[in-house]
This record gives sequence, C-alpha cells and structure tokens, in this order.
Amino acid sequence: GENVEQHPSTLSVQEGDSAVIKCTYSDSASNYFPWYKQELGKGPQLIIDIRSNVGEKKDQRIAVTLNKTAKHFSLHITETQPEDSAVYFCAARTTGNQFYFGTGTSLTVIP
Amino acid sequence: ETGVTQSPTHLIKTRGQQVTLRCSSQSGHNTVSWYQQALGQGPQFIFQYYREEENGRGNFPPRFSGLQFPNYSSELNVNALELDDSALYLCASSPTVWRGQETQYFGPGTRLLVL
Repeated sequence: GENVEQHPSTLSVQEGDSAVIKCTYSDSASNYFPWYKQELGKGPQLIIDIRSNVGEKKDQRIAVTLNKTAKHFSLHITETQPEDSAVYFCAARTTGNQFYFGTGTSLTVIP
Repeated sequence: ETGVTQSPTHLIKTRGQQVTLRCSSQSGHNTVSWYQQALGQGPQFIFQYYREEENGRGNFPPRFSGLQFPNYSSELNVNALELDDSALYLCASSPTVWRGQETQYFGPGTRLLVL
C-alpha cells in the first residue's frame, strides 16, 4: 500500500517568513495530492491540491510543487501570519481512490 | 464550512460496548469515506462508500463496519470497543470517486473515548 512521510513534525517561523513542509510517497500510481489545515477541535480543511499531470500550483500565499520522478511534493506558505498556525497534513490518493495521510506538521507563526 | 455534518460531537463508551457514528454528506456528493485520527497522528483510512456500496477498506478489523443510505448519509459502527479505539472519527464526502472529482471535504469529527 501507499506510505506517505511528512517532515518536519514541528516548524516555528517568524511572522512574515516563509514555511516549507515536505512529503514523500511510495506508490508511483498515486495521482492526486491534497493539503489540509487542521485547527484544534476541527476537521481538516482543504487548502490546496495538485494532480499528477501538474508540477506546480499557486493560490495567493500558498503554493504546492510536485516532483513525480522523485515522488515528493511540498507545501510553501509565504508571508506567514499568526492565523496560519495549525497542523498541516499532506495526503496522496491511490488508484483505489483511497487517501493516505502524512503524520502532520505543527506550524507555529511567532508574531 | 464544508456542509458535512457529524453526530454526536463527543461520546464516552466502555470497553466491549458498541457505538454508531453518523455523517451527513455535502449536498450532491455520493461518496463518503471514514477515517480514524488518533491524537497527534494523521487520519487513517477505514473505508469508503460509493452509491451505497463499500468501495475500499483500510487495515481495520471487521468489527468496524459501515452503511451508506440512499440519501448518501452514512454510519460507522464499531463493535466490541477497545481502549485503542479512542480517537477522533472523521467523515469526508466527495462528489464522486472518479478522477478529477475526488476532492474530499471533512466534517468536524466525533471524539470517542473508550474507558
């Protein structure tokens, strides 16, 4: 089955700096990679996603890059704000339409 | 808000008991997936229902079972509860299983505590 690894597990940045979270996956057939933000006591919220036929996608301060050859994808948040503080999860969708999640990155943005 | 609702929000059970959790999908979505999220971990896939049929299952024992109804709402049933079943149970709905429309939207979850 698919195995998704996520790094780092915790990340602290100064407000205004950039944050980068990296994930690797094992199943070359995986074709869809969403990123979720989870705040305390809430369910995961989709923030951006990318499909396997695209190398990069950007939405305002958030961008995701995908390297299919190396089987890794990354989340980039620029100009971080205190409200970006949360736990972020990457996920990979396999051909069986099953989603496998990373173990999460706790991001703290220091004002 | 995703439009996915779950009930109850919190639940306390004792070991050996049975529990039923409920999920109402976002309007227009025919696919529901259930996940177990232990504290400090990522969601773990339990199973998925597409048009009332199970459409994939993760590495969970048979005492985890589910149903999807004609209105695409869903239930997760867990029998013979164990202490390790204590977790946040998440439901996610998506428009369908087909590529390009598989984006999942999560509900707020049900927090289950087994004593």
